[in-house]
Amino acid sequence: DTEVTQTPKHLVMGMTNKKSLKCEQHMGHRAMYWYKQKAKKPPELMFVYSYEKLSINESVPSRFSPECPNSSLLNLHLHALQPEDSALYLCASSQQKGQGPNTEAFFGQGTRLTVV
Amino acid sequence: GEDVEQSLFLSVREGDSSVINCTYTDSSSTYLYWYKQEPGAGLQLLTYIFSNMDMKQDQRLTVLLNKKDKHLSLRIADTQTGDSAIYFCAESKDQGGKLIFGQGTELSVKP
Repeated sequence: DTEVTQTPKHLVMGMTNKKSLKCEQHMGHRAMYWYKQKAKKPPELMFVYSYEKLSINESVPSRFSPECPNSSLLNLHLHALQPEDSALYLCASSQQKGQGPNTEAFFGQGTRLTVV
Repeated sequence: GEDVEQSLFLSVREGDSSVINCTYTDSSSTYLYWYKQEPGAGLQLLTYIFSNMDMKQDQRLTVLLNKKDKHLSLRIADTQTGDSAIYFCAESKDQGGKLIFGQGTELSVKP
């Protein structure tokens, strides 16, 4: 089982709304990631969690707030977003982070977010 | 994606071989990856290669690595219409776990 599950698949939210994206994996992976992907562009890293602790924040605006409640779950809380935040948000996990064996990342199908 | 470069488009006929090329800059990268993304979907890990290898074959896929030239290629044998997608190469930047992706090559397979 190499499945990373993301919900919802699609989300439309207003600029004053608060919403959350969810990501789940049951592969026993200890590293989890949030990436943002604009149309026709490569994914860009937002956050890395390792052993449920935030290890990388790529200077992401505070209107995006990640949370890792346990080793299987990763959330991304959204508040006061802008239309330019509309994108595909991808969650990934790997057995461990870094370079070397067992670091290959498996991605979910993404949440397509539209901010109106 | 400025550290990893790919050509943007490739068009082939069904049954031909496709070769997608990638150049990277970080000589310390130990693992290099190929991902496939179909329209509206997430990224599917196709294969990866360790930097002390020159070649890796997995069914229809062959990865070649020229570490001296920092050049990576993905060959798809007997390309099918279902192979139409965007293909990203990626390098693992450092111990932090960050993947640096190329711009992606859009492969179009014509019947």
